[in-house]
Amino acid sequence: NAGVTQTPKFQVLKTGQSMTLQCAQDMNHNSMYWYRQDPGMGLRLIYYSASEGTTDKGEVPNGYNVSRLNKREFSLRLESAAPSQTSVYFCASSDAGLAGTADTQYFGPGTRLTVL
Amino acid sequence: AQSVTQPDIHITVSEGASLELRCNYSYGATPYLFWYVQSPGQGLQLLLKYFSGDTLVQGIKGFEAEFKRSQSSFNLRKPSVHWSDAAEYFCAVIPDGGSQGNLIFGKGTKLSVKP
Repeated sequence: NAGVTQTPKFQVLKTGQSMTLQCAQDMNHNSMYWYRQDPGMGLRLIYYSASEGTTDKGEVPNGYNVSRLNKREFSLRLESAAPSQTSVYFCASSDAGLAGTADTQYFGPGTRLTVL
Repeated sequence: AQSVTQPDIHITVSEGASLELRCNYSYGATPYLFWYVQSPGQGLQLLLKYFSGDTLVQGIKGFEAEFKRSQSSFNLRKPSVHWSDAAEYFCAVIPDGGSQGNLIFGKGTKLSVKP
């Protein structure tokens, strides 16, 4: 069991470039999440997906898009990167139910992104 | 405003000393409560969680936490700290009745351990 995997581990972009962060989980979880972590800010939710085919905005969605490709995979896209998006990005998954029942979230190792 | 507060940004303790990390929240009566640990350059690992039942919960690595409803607190404790416990610790909350996306994090407490 690999748990939650993320690619790439590190990325440097120039302002205006685009990229997609990939996330996959092998725990058969329904829900998946994207967070960003900035110094002194904790983790803040960007988008989440309660099930295949659904996505919802979190606290800081501006500048990002997501795709829930299938039950295993949830990608985060930056269409036109900005220096303010320099951050560490974490993907997580949980077995939270479609009815909104909460459960533990398990995290990937993170992607460290720098936008110049 | 609703929030999760970790009052201590940075704590330093001696190896072998006891540890208590504080967490307060301002959500509904019975949130779901979590403590995660993050070692430098790593992802977050779940230490323990509280959903219901016994208010003293045991976690991995010798950690425990106590839910105190009257104080809206969920403090993390360890009786004897090891050098390998040096890391950043995050308290997180799913508010009462929250949806799947509502895991709210505190800003973290960085723990340093003196030899």
